[in-house]
This record gives sequence, C-alpha cells and structure tokens, in this order.
Amino acid sequence: AQSVTQPDIHITVSEGASLELRCNYSYGATPYLFWYVQSPGQGLQLLLKYFSGDTLVQGIKGFEAEFKRSQSSFNLRKPSVHWSDAAEYFCAVGALGGYQKVTFGTGTKLQVIP
Amino acid sequence: SAVISQKPSRDICQRGTSLTIQCQVDSQVTMMFWYRQQPGQSLTLIATANQGSEATYESGFVIDKFPISRPNLTFSTLTVSNMSPEDSSIYLCSAGTGERLEAFFGQGTRLTVV
Repeated sequence: AQSVTQPDIHITVSEGASLELRCNYSYGATPYLFWYVQSPGQGLQLLLKYFSGDTLVQGIKGFEAEFKRSQSSFNLRKPSVHWSDAAEYFCAVGALGGYQKVTFGTGTKLQVIP
Repeated sequence: SAVISQKPSRDICQRGTSLTIQCQVDSQVTMMFWYRQQPGQSLTLIATANQGSEATYESGFVIDKFPISRPNLTFSTLTVSNMSPEDSSIYLCSAGTGERLEAFFGQGTRLTVV
C-alpha cells in the first residue's frame, strides 16, 4: 500500500528566508506525486505535480520540488518565503497511470514571522 | 483546470439528521471523489463517485452512512446520514480527468454536528 510521511508537523520561518518541506513516500512502482496548499478555511490548491521527466518540478507561487527516487523523497522548496505563504501543505502520492486512491500525508503547517 | 463549487460551504446540524452536499464542476470530468478532513487531520478518501452506477467506497465507509449520487459528468452529491458529533469535519469534493491528472478540489463544506 502506498503511504506518505511528512515528518514536520509545524515549521516556522522568517519572511524572506528559504523554505524546504519534507515528504517521503512509499510506493512499489513509479509514483505520481503532488503538493497541495490549504489556506485557513479554504479548499486545497495544487502547487505542482510530478509523474515523469525532469525530476525538478516548477510550480505556482514560486515553489519547486525535486523527486529523488533513491531517497523516496519529494521535498518542496521556495527560495524566499512571503507572509502569504503561511498555510498548511500536503504531499500526496498516487498511482501512475490513473487517478487511483491518492494518499495524502498528514500535512505541515507553515508559520511565517516578520 | 476545473473549477469546483460546493454547497453549502458550512452548516451546523442537529444529531440524527442528514445533510446533502452538492458538488458542481464547470466542465466534464472523468473522476469525482469525496474526501473527509477531520479537525487537525489529513484528507481521507470516502469514495469514488461513479457516473451512472454505485459509488466505490473505501474501507471504513459505507453507503448507508454516506450515500453518493453522480447523475452526470459534472455533478455529484454526498449525503451524511444520521449524523453524530463525530461526523463534524470538512468534506471536500475533488475532480479530475485524463490519465495523468491532478485533482482539483472544491472549497469544502465545514460541517458541525451538535
């Protein structure tokens, strides 16, 4: 069965600092990986996805993520965080070849301080 | 991308009653799904809404408690039946199309059962 681990429940960064949110997955085949963001009281918005090709994926809002098969990781990064980035971030894994039972991690709550 | 509208956005309901949540997509989609997000938790897939046939439920979720309809390719409903306080959650509809798809999410319905 597929699974996703987000080891950091909360992260606090200063505005303008760089950010890296960790995500490790477990899946027997080539995974289909996502990062979503959820602002307070909102639904989920897709930041980026990976299913093949270049392992460094660019997303919206200046985010990027790197797929590392050897480490079973798909960490999310941003070079300079803005106060509006404060939200909860979810990593998710699905089966390549179809949208089948996408599994979400437990989320990382990001706080941005001035 | 698909735009998903959910109604109602929030509701407070008495225990023992039922609530039907509507999900409307602005374009035809292959797949529609319903998720539950309990307070402080990640997303758990309830079921896949199949057009013209019975929904496919995940382990721990049953049709009697969460009946789902999907009469066409752009609309689905989820009913939370005989509610108890434990059903207080955010319920999210998602939809997607194509083999390598990303899921688009509605804003969610925040349900409080008292």
